[in-house]
Amino acid sequence: QKEVEQNSGPLSVPEGAIASLNCTYSDRGSQSFFWYRQYSGKSPELIMFIYSNGDKEDGRFTAQLNKASQYVSLLIRDSQPSDSATYLCAVKGGDKIIFGKGTRLHILP
Amino acid sequence: ETGVTQTPRHLVMGMTNKKSLKCEQHLGHNAMYWYKQSAKKPLELMFVYNFKEQTENNSVPSRFSPECPNSSHLFLHLHTLQPEDSALYLCASSQDRGLAKETQYFGPGTRLLVL
Repeated sequence: QKEVEQNSGPLSVPEGAIASLNCTYSDRGSQSFFWYRQYSGKSPELIMFIYSNGDKEDGRFTAQLNKASQYVSLLIRDSQPSDSATYLCAVKGGDKIIFGKGTRLHILP
Repeated sequence: ETGVTQTPRHLVMGMTNKKSLKCEQHLGHNAMYWYKQSAKKPLELMFVYNFKEQTENNSVPSRFSPECPNSSHLFLHLHTLQPEDSALYLCASSQDRGLAKETQYFGPGTRLLVL
């Protein structure tokens, strides 16, 4: 059974600090990795994707991928109250995308 | 209109009713998906259509029946549902199911309550 694991949280981070969200996956053949943000009552919104080992930066967001250790993380710099949401990790191997349960992030004003 | 749209946004139905959910994508994509999202559970993939052909049915009960008349439209026909089917039903689309770098884009969802 291919799995994607995330800490459900809530993860509380002070405003302006760095929020670090982690995700591990079981399928070593996974090729593509995605982070979605989902506000309460809304649909998931793609914020980052990463395919290669290392870091990928986009504004305040940095995705980090380590295929050897089978984890992918999302860093949010200068956290804002508007970043409070559930963050879903999704992993694709072959033609299947598997989502984690998500981590609830709460930015403290 | 752009992106992925879904109607209705909210639906309340009895267990004996028949209703349909509609999804339309304006992105020129070839793959469309139905997901179910229940509280405290990961997104559950229900059905996948790639180039109008159903390529995946994840052991979904027959009271859910998908229809994909073309690459831009996807329906989910509902009949004799159970209260445990109450959830957020999300439609998504992507360029092509087979692409390694496939990115899915979600619609706003239909919040379904079965009484």
